[in-house]
Amino acid sequence: QKEVEQDPGPLSVPEGAIVSLNCTYSNSAFQYFMWYRQYSRKGPELLMYTYSSGNKEDGRFTAQVDKSSKYISLFIRDSQPSDSATYLCAMSGMDSSYKLIFGSGTRLLVRP
Amino acid sequence: DTAVSQTPKYLVTQMGNDKSIKCEQNLGHDTMYWYKQDSKKFLKIMFSYNNKELIINETVPNRFSPKSPDKAHLNLHINSLELGDSAVYFCASSQGSASRTGELFFGEGSRLTVL
Repeated sequence: QKEVEQDPGPLSVPEGAIVSLNCTYSNSAFQYFMWYRQYSRKGPELLMYTYSSGNKEDGRFTAQVDKSSKYISLFIRDSQPSDSATYLCAMSGMDSSYKLIFGSGTRLLVRP
Repeated sequence: DTAVSQTPKYLVTQMGNDKSIKCEQNLGHDTMYWYKQDSKKFLKIMFSYNNKELIINETVPNRFSPKSPDKAHLNLHINSLELGDSAVYFCASSQGSASRTGELFFGEGSRLTVL
């Protein structure tokens, strides 16, 4: 079993839809949680960063962390075709803070 | 001006050959990484250097040898290439630990195909 599990998709939604992307993890020591976005043939780029539990909002994006369930989510409101990409969750613990563990990514397609 | 640049972007080579990938960052970061992304998009850390010192060395065959001549450069040399080495190799950098800000800056990747 991988430390971080993520549904690979693809997830296809119409423009304007609310998108929910999720990851589950097994290591209770994880404290830092991130979402990266990767466009085709490009490197990943950081989208959202949260420490420990709770919610964080940035424009159309909301990240949620539920440590009791070992579950993190990324919500995208009013999705746009330009949001079409692969979304990777990543996380690490305090004792291994240089080492990010990535999920395998969910491919999202937003149809115009 | 590209923040993290890797060369070459594409390599196609035969099994058994040796190849190198170079990486340079102009962000002034003190930590650099090599990640491998397989065909299923799974991104796995291979190595990390902090101020030219190796701090992460995952379970990687010793055919892979990283080298950091200075804080701004991290190269990856692969000996005796195998079919299973085909992947996209990403270089990344951060200031201090990646978790401190959550931000790794990635290059655009080097796509290696072993025939």
